[in-house]
Amino acid sequence: DTEVTQTPKHLVMGMTNKKSLKCEQHMGHRAMYWYKQKAKKPPELMFVYSYEKLSINESVPSRFSPECPNSSLLNLHLHALQPEDSALYLCASSQDPSSRRATIYFGEGSWLTVV
Amino acid sequence: GQNIDQPTEMTATEGAIVQINCTYQTSGFNGLFWYQQHAGEAPTFLSYNVLDGLEEKGRFSSFLSRSKGYSYLLLKELQMKDSASYLCAVRGNAGKSTFGDGTTLTVKP
Repeated sequence: DTEVTQTPKHLVMGMTNKKSLKCEQHMGHRAMYWYKQKAKKPPELMFVYSYEKLSINESVPSRFSPECPNSSLLNLHLHALQPEDSALYLCASSQDPSSRRATIYFGEGSWLTVV
Repeated sequence: GQNIDQPTEMTATEGAIVQINCTYQTSGFNGLFWYQQHAGEAPTFLSYNVLDGLEEKGRFSSFLSRSKGYSYLLLKELQMKDSASYLCAVRGNAGKSTFGDGTTLTVKP
């Protein structure tokens, strides 16, 4: 079973709203990721959590705030977003961030529209 | 840094064979992945290479040459459902994977 579950699948929010994207995996993976993908572009890495600690922040604006409550859950808190932040947000996980065979498995994504 | 190059688009005929190339220049290398992504869907894992050579998995095969910074994905017996974007991703240091821009494959009857 290689399932990463993301909610909500679609989200429309105003520029003054506060919302959260949620991600869950029960594969025992110890690395979890947030990617952002715009139309016809590849996924761009935003954050990496390794053993529940933030290990990579790709200079993401502070209006995006990740949280890893436990090894199975990953949240992305959104506040004061801009219309250009509208994109597909992909959560992913892998077995072990230091393993050379740590294949990344993606969730189905959350489509975010900022109005 | 990472630099990954793939052709933007390719077209092939149903039942044929197509090879999608990927070249990379990276500061660290811990493996190369191929993903398939249909429009409006998340990427799905196809293959992984970390040593030189060919990895075969059904209709799909992937090849890696680390000395040349080169990989290809070979798709045999093409089906209409293989029309998708194919993403080459290189895993560098510290668990960071960088994706190429993807190759959009169109399979025609």
